Amino acid sequence: SQTIHQWPATLVQPVGSPLSLECTVEGTSNPNLYWYRQAAGRGLQLLFYSVGIGQISSEVPQNLSASRPQDRQFILSSKKLLLSDSGFYLCAWETGSTGTEAFFGQGTRLTVV
Amino acid sequence: GQSLEQPSEVTAVEGAIVQINCTYQTSGFYGLSWYQQHDGGAPTFLSYNALDGLEETGRFSSFLSRSDSYGYLLLQELQMKDSASYFCAVREYNQGGKLIFGQGTELSVKP
Repeated sequence: SQTIHQWPATLVQPVGSPLSLECTVEGTSNPNLYWYRQAAGRGLQLLFYSVGIGQISSEVPQNLSASRPQDRQFILSSKKLLLSDSGFYLCAWETGSTGTEAFFGQGTRLTVV
Repeated sequence: GQSLEQPSEVTAVEGAIVQINCTYQTSGFYGLSWYQQHDGGAPTFLSYNALDGLEETGRFSSFLSRSDSYGYLLLQELQMKDSASYFCAVREYNQGGKLIFGQGTELSVKP
């Protein structure tokens, strides 16, 4: 069966520090991968979308970047965090662009102080 | 581009029926999905409509009208555990099939 792992669950980082959040998927190959961010009480903002290794589209101008070094690994990074980067970060995968269901990791709650 | 609109909050009582509407504007459209998210948790898939009509899964049903760019999620026999946020999401042709979410509807079920 397929599983998705996302870590850490919570993170408190000072302004100006770097960030690396990792997401891995097991039990499937060539998944589409997503990073979303959710502010408190708000919707899911799509940050990055990847259909394959090295193929990443950035959805909004921001202080973040993403990489997909392996087929089932998706990494969200920042060189210098801003206060506005605080939020709930969710990784998700699906089996294709016309698939009916996306599966989410448990999320990382990032607080930038 | 795309936009989705859904009510920000809905309140209902246990045992009642509630309908959460979603209107969307897209250029090219695969289908409409619904997800549930409990506070602090991960969103989980509820339903998907690719064709017009009603899809039923237990107490939850979802409806789509492509001509009206409109859909809804119907929750019957509400239970306290149904208190959560509900998101509609679309997948578009010209966005590479990316899954785009609405802002969510917070459902509060009262005893």
